[in-house]
Amino acid sequence: EAQVTQNPRYLITVTGKKLTVTCSQNMNHEYMSWYRQDPGLGLRQIYYSMNVEVTDKGDVPEGYKVSRKEKRNFPLILESPSPNQTSLYFCASKRNTEAFFGQGTRLTVV
Amino acid sequence: TQLLEQSPQFLSIQEGENLTVYCNSSSVFSSLQWYRQEPGEGPVLLVTVVTGGEVKKLKRLTFQFGDARKDSSLHITAAQPGDTGLYLCAGPKGSTLGRLYFGRGTQLTVWP
Repeated sequence: EAQVTQNPRYLITVTGKKLTVTCSQNMNHEYMSWYRQDPGLGLRQIYYSMNVEVTDKGDVPEGYKVSRKEKRNFPLILESPSPNQTSLYFCASKRNTEAFFGQGTRLTVV
Repeated sequence: TQLLEQSPQFLSIQEGENLTVYCNSSSVFSSLQWYRQEPGEGPVLLVTVVTGGEVKKLKRLTFQFGDARKDSSLHITAAQPGDTGLYLCAGPKGSTLGRLYFGRGTQLTVWP
């Protein structure tokens, strides 16, 4: 089954403790991206990747890092999480204009 | 500024009513898409419209792309509680292989 898999689904952490949210897709898509979704603000793009070893900032990249060492994986790294990064995060991969989303990771930073 | 403006932001209606939600931009898009997101899930693609003036139907849902390719609408006939969800429009700016921009969405609630 074609899918985008994110882990974990839920995460509560403390300020400053480094964390990684994993994302994997099995559709051989070149394009992958990370979004955060906040009430009233919609989906905002954090980072995107056009292919292996090619990443670029989206609209809200501050406080986040990504890497794309292989086509299927695109992890999101928060080196020093802060409470304003509490949000619902979605990974997506794209074929032409159609985006396929993971089920989301609800992150709470206390 | 938001590249894609959706209206209304919230819509609460009774089962059986008709409704229209809008997606507008000052920019021209090569295509626009509509996604539906249910609580606890990621958005799922409903349709892509590509040609100016194009109309696509998906059961009780009718999607239209404006002639100038700057706007789109989603019309639902005889809404049902199962239509409840967040409806998002999205479009690529520049190359279709590039970034996908999303509107803030319309939260639709259909009451039995």
